[in-house]
Amino acid sequence: AQTIHQWPVAEIKAVGSPLSLGCTIKGKSSPNLYWYWQATGGTLQQLFYSITVGQVESVVQLNLSASRPKDDQFILSTEKLLLSHSGFYLCAWSLGGVQNTLYFGAGTRLSVL
Amino acid sequence: GDSVTQTEGQVALSEEDFLTIHCNYSASGYPALFWYVQYPGEGPQFLFRASRDKEKGSSRGFEATYDKGTTSFHLRKASVQESDSAVYYCALGTANSGTYQRFGTGTKLQVVP
Repeated sequence: AQTIHQWPVAEIKAVGSPLSLGCTIKGKSSPNLYWYWQATGGTLQQLFYSITVGQVESVVQLNLSASRPKDDQFILSTEKLLLSHSGFYLCAWSLGGVQNTLYFGAGTRLSVL
Repeated sequence: GDSVTQTEGQVALSEEDFLTIHCNYSASGYPALFWYVQYPGEGPQFLFRASRDKEKGSSRGFEATYDKGTTSFHLRKASVQESDSAVYYCALGTANSGTYQRFGTGTKLQVVP
């Protein structure tokens, strides 16, 4: 069975501090990987996607970056957090393109103070 | 561009009521249409999908029928339970949308006993 694990579960960070969020997918080879962001009470906004190791495409510019160092790992990071980065970060995977189902992790709740 | 519209931001029902959440889309061709459900503090979960005109998707007592004529994929359930309280998202993915699976704004369902 496939599992998707996100870490950490929650973070409280200061404005200007660095951030690194992670996601690991087990049980699937070469999945498409995505990062989504959700403001409190808001909809899902896609941030990045990756179809293979070492390749990441940005969808929305939010002063964030992403990397895929391994087939089963996806990292979201920034060197300087902004207040606007607060929200719920979700990692997801799919087999193939966006006409296929997305499977989401449990998410990371980020509060920037 | 491709888009998904959910007209109800919130729906309040009593147990055993009939549920309808409206979803209309704008896209060329035959996009894949999805319903996801998100419980508080969790990532969205896939409910079901459809990709052809008149195709019905269903899961857990929920169902929706792909209607190309009215560009709709309305979510319905005959008898809701308190445990159905959650946020429901309609989404679409097309070959033309690149890696973007577009989500609607979500409908918060609250079911009271």
